Amino acid sequence: DVVLTQTPVSLSVTLGDQASISCRSSQSLEYSDGYTYLEWYLQKPGQSPQLLIYEVSNRFSGVPDRFIGSGSGTDFTLKISRVEPEDLGVYYCFQATHDLWTFGGGTKLELK
Amino acid sequence: EVQLVESGGGLVQPGSSLKLSCVASGFTFSSYNMHWIRQAPKKGLEWIALIYYDSSNKYYADSVKGRFTISRDNSKNTLYLEMNSLRSEDTAMYYCAKNYGGFAYWGQGTLVTVSS
Repeated sequence: DVVLTQTPVSLSVTLGDQASISCRSSQSLEYSDGYTYLEWYLQKPGQSPQLLIYEVSNRFSGVPDRFIGSGSGTDFTLKISRVEPEDLGVYYCFQATHDLWTFGGGTKLELK
Repeated sequence: EVQLVESGGGLVQPGSSLKLSCVASGFTFSSYNMHWIRQAPKKGLEWIALIYYDSSNKYYADSVKGRFTISRDNSKNTLYLEMNSLRSEDTAMYYCAKNYGGFAYWGQGTLVTVSS
C-alpha cells in the first residue's frame, strides 16, 4: 500500500505568514495516463473536510489563489501564502493513483 | 446542488453488525464511482472502500477487508456499507463521497460507536 508522510505534524504561524506542508509518497504517484492524482484537503474544527487542490496543482472552484500545490513523483508541497484566520485547521494530502487509496496523517495549522 | 446524506450509524456492541446508507442527489449517481471514508475521534481521515459506478469492482482498505461490504443501488441513488464483526477501533464518523477531480462534496457523516 502507498504511504503518504506529511511534515510537519503541527505548524504554528502568525497571520500573514507563509506556511508550507510537505507530503512524501512511498511510491511515485504518476498514473499510467500521465496524470498525478494527489489532492489536498482542509478540515476545519467541527466540519467535514473540504477539497482545496486536485491533480497536484489545480485549485478547486472557489479556493483562493494563496493556496498553491506543487510537486511530482513522490514529493509534493502545499504552500499557503499570507495565512488568514479561515485557513486554520488540519490539512491532509490524499492519493488516488494507486489502489488502495490513502490519506496522509495530517498537518495541524494553528496560530503562534 | 450535490448532496450526500449518510445515515444508519449508532451505538453497537463489539462483534455486532450495522448497515450504513448514503443517499445521493444533484448528480447522475449511476455514472460515478463512490467511496466510504471514516475518521476516528480526534484522528485523521482513513479511506476504507470504493465501488465502481456499475458495481463491477470493489476495493477495501486492509483494516476492513473481509468484514465490510460496499454496495450500491443505482435505482435508488443509494450507497451502502455493511459492517460485520465490529470492533472498538471501528468507532468513527463515516462519510460517503465521490471522487472526480477530488472529493469535492462531503456529507455530514454518520457516527458509529462500537462499545460494550
